Amino acid sequence: DGGITQSPKYLFRKEGQNVTLSCEQNLNHDAMYWYRQDPGQGLRLIYYSQIVNDFQKGDIAEGYSVSREKKESFPLTVTSAQKNPTAFYLCASTLEAGGTQYFGPGTRLLVL
Amino acid sequence: KQEVTQIPAALSVPEGENLVLNCSFTDSAIYNLQWFRQDPGKGLTSLLLIQSSQREQTSGRLNASLDKSSGRSTLYIAASQPGDSATYLCAVSDNTNAGKSTFGDGTTLTVKP
Repeated sequence: DGGITQSPKYLFRKEGQNVTLSCEQNLNHDAMYWYRQDPGQGLRLIYYSQIVNDFQKGDIAEGYSVSREKKESFPLTVTSAQKNPTAFYLCASTLEAGGTQYFGPGTRLLVL
Repeated sequence: KQEVTQIPAALSVPEGENLVLNCSFTDSAIYNLQWFRQDPGKGLTSLLLIQSSQREQTSGRLNASLDKSSGRSTLYIAASQPGDSATYLCAVSDNTNAGKSTFGDGTTLTVKP
């Protein structure tokens, strides 16, 4: 079964802690994306990567970091610099930039 | 900066009704427009993608149109069913950077049996 997996489903962060959200795809897609969704709102782009070892900032990159060492993996780290991290985080991929976006099931991040 | 608006924010209709969801965008220089469905607490599922050179796309009971010059798209759902209840979001990708998409806040549809 091809698709995108995200883990964990729920994640709790303590004050001052960095946490990493996992995103893996087996669709052989070149491009991957991270979005943040707040209640009742649409998605906002955090980071995207169109090829391995390359990524660009989206609209709300401050307080987040990413890496793209493998084609199938695009982990997102929420750093302590992100003061309001509580949100639903969604990972997506496309065969190429501008193609149909396929989404994972999401990770809900909560602050303790 | 691209802005995407979806009105209304919520819509409730009886089963069997045909309905139209609206999406408007401020910058007509888009690469494509995509419509998604999101069930509560879940990821997004792609419904239709319209390239900037196209006027419409159809899939089953769904038909999406695009008028780039006026900055508008509509999603038409025929013969609505309770299973169509979900939030519908549209997203436009940037013409100069196709990897960058801007989403609307969505329209939450409830179809009553």
